[in-house]
Amino acid sequence: AQSVTQLGSHVSVSEGALVLLRCNYSSSVPPYLFWYVQYPNQGLQLLLKYTSAATLVKGINGFEAEFKKSETSFHLTKPSAHMRDAAEYFCAVSVGGGSNYKLTFGKGTLLTVNP
Amino acid sequence: GAVVSQHPSRVICKSGTSVKIECRSLDFQATTMFWYRQFPKKSLMLMATSNEGSKATYEQGVEKDKFLINHASLTLSTLTVTSAHPEDSSFYICSARAIWAGTSVDYGYTFGSGTRLTVV
Repeated sequence: AQSVTQLGSHVSVSEGALVLLRCNYSSSVPPYLFWYVQYPNQGLQLLLKYTSAATLVKGINGFEAEFKKSETSFHLTKPSAHMRDAAEYFCAVSVGGGSNYKLTFGKGTLLTVNP
Repeated sequence: GAVVSQHPSRVICKSGTSVKIECRSLDFQATTMFWYRQFPKKSLMLMATSNEGSKATYEQGVEKDKFLINHASLTLSTLTVTSAHPEDSSFYICSARAIWAGTSVDYGYTFGSGTRLTVV
């Protein structure tokens, strides 16, 4: 079975500072990894995904993540935080590439951005 | 891109009544739809997986008689909360993975905008 651990339920940064949201996964097979963002009372929006291609994945809104197999990590970063980045972020893992493979989510990290 | 349309976005119902939530895949065929429940300030909990034309697979601890799932077509899946009670109040979200078979383009998992259910 696969699982995801997000370190830190709440991360607070200043506007313009580096954003680092941590995610470690556990999977018995090569995983597919995802980062999603959720704004209040909305669904989830895909930021980026890793599907066994390039290990450094660039996503929307200036976010990127690097897949490190040796560390079983898939941390999300952004060089400079904006106020609009304040939201809940979820890391998720799937063990298959088909449409019937379910996602397993981490518990989420709330990002606050201070002016 | 791939879009999943979820309705209603918000519903308030009386205890004991039933509520139906619809999710439609607008520009792709969703052979599998996932239904999640999210409690305040919590992560998403997978409730069930529905496959077009067959019975849904429920996760452990989810009452299949209370949460009825129907996936009658490749573009529509519904979740009906039967005999709703206040403890069923939650945020429900559907999701499907959009993969175009001809091009193998994988848009990943697309989520509906969610339904806020309040049972009074």
